Amino acid sequence: GAGVSQSPSNKVTEKGKDVELRCDPISGHTALYWYRQSLGQGLEFLIYFQGNSAPDKSGLPSDRFSAERTGGSVSTLTIQRTQQEDSAVYLCASSLDRDPLSTQYFGPGTRLTVL
Amino acid sequence: AQSVTQPDIHITVSEGASLELRCNYSYGATPYLFWYVQSPGQGLQLLLKYFSGDTLVQGIKGFEAEFKRSQSSFNLRKPSVHWSDAAEYFCAVDGPAGTALIFGKGTTLSVSS
Repeated sequence: GAGVSQSPSNKVTEKGKDVELRCDPISGHTALYWYRQSLGQGLEFLIYFQGNSAPDKSGLPSDRFSAERTGGSVSTLTIQRTQQEDSAVYLCASSLDRDPLSTQYFGPGTRLTVL
Repeated sequence: AQSVTQPDIHITVSEGASLELRCNYSYGATPYLFWYVQSPGQGLQLLLKYFSGDTLVQGIKGFEAEFKRSQSSFNLRKPSVHWSDAAEYFCAVDGPAGTALIFGKGTTLSVSS
């Protein structure tokens, strides 16, 4: 079946602009995660959605970052007033539910470059 | 707080040689541990995971890992490396309340012929 998809695959923007990154999870997966992969920093958790519950936003680095998940499926990560330090690969993952026994499946990522 | 350390940033192994990638974790209880692989231009793929029971875990592509509580380690091994194994490898532990994963910074594996 189809895996996690993300769009766009690459995004180049100017400092100060807003960007939206999209994630389509695997159908039927109720848990959705956003991570950021920066050079030398590994993968950092950003935000987590589980069903209709309030999202866990504890990993968001600043209030310029926000995310929503519509209809329990597609998710959009928005970065406002982008800064050069926001340049990274943004990865989305989904799992069947929030149980750690449920494998997280990752998308190919969106590479964001802020000039 | 939970954390994961991968001491080796880059390792080069000859094709056909054995491989061991190190992973150390910090966790207050029995952890759930994972190894993921990221090939160039691709997303992360789960190699194996440990939850409980047998401390030697078998995964895909001929990989295995051993959980050693006394050493707080979960090292990844493969008896004979293939050129296609060249990739970046990430060790991870489940985060607070068992939600998002906490990853190490990764080890890049190069395979020489």
